Amino acid sequence: EPEVTQTPSHQVTQMGQEVILRCVPISNHLYFYWYRQILGQKVEFLVSFYNNEISEKSEIFDDQFSVERPDGSNFTLKIRSTKLEDSAMYFCASFGQGAAFFGQGTRLTVV
Amino acid sequence: TQLLEQSPQFLSIQEGENLTVYCNSSSVFSSLQWYRQEPGEGPVLLVTVVTGGEVKKLKRLTFQFGDARKDSSLHITAAQPGDTGLYLCAGALSGGYQKVTFGIGTKLQVIP
Repeated sequence: EPEVTQTPSHQVTQMGQEVILRCVPISNHLYFYWYRQILGQKVEFLVSFYNNEISEKSEIFDDQFSVERPDGSNFTLKIRSTKLEDSAMYFCASFGQGAAFFGQGTRLTVV
Repeated sequence: TQLLEQSPQFLSIQEGENLTVYCNSSSVFSSLQWYRQEPGEGPVLLVTVVTGGEVKKLKRLTFQFGDARKDSSLHITAAQPGDTGLYLCAGALSGGYQKVTFGIGTKLQVIP
């Protein structure tokens, strides 16, 4: 069964460093998303991506964040200068058959 | 203000009991999904409902979409300890490109 895969599963980084989180969405899906979930809190929308451009972004998705689909398969989220409050689970999802399908997530820990 | 209100947020019941979780909104959704999430993992899709009034069954789980497509319920019959987890409802608003918005979730604990 097709699935969304994310790497790495866990990333520890120092405050101020750049991180890139990677995702391979389901191949025939057209809409891609990044969500995050701070420990114990709800799943929050960050950004959606369609036709090689951002469709919508939330207030969380400020200038420190960017997304890219560099090669037609990978979908990346870059955080330029990480802050302590960026520590969270980051989930990639792709949309098809009327629902969003999620990867297993990357746990980002900023120290 | 939450777009999707889930209730209850916490539920602890004995094995064998029945339960219902609710997901309500003032907005109309083109589709609504229920997910289950285990700690440290991504949400796993359980079901998608699309048509107002639709009822779907998944073993002991029954999902219903409200007639006006603004609310949904999840009913579990004879809960088992394996049902323990976080249940999330999520909706794609009518029109647009299908951004999915999540409720806060219902944390279910089934005690053996």
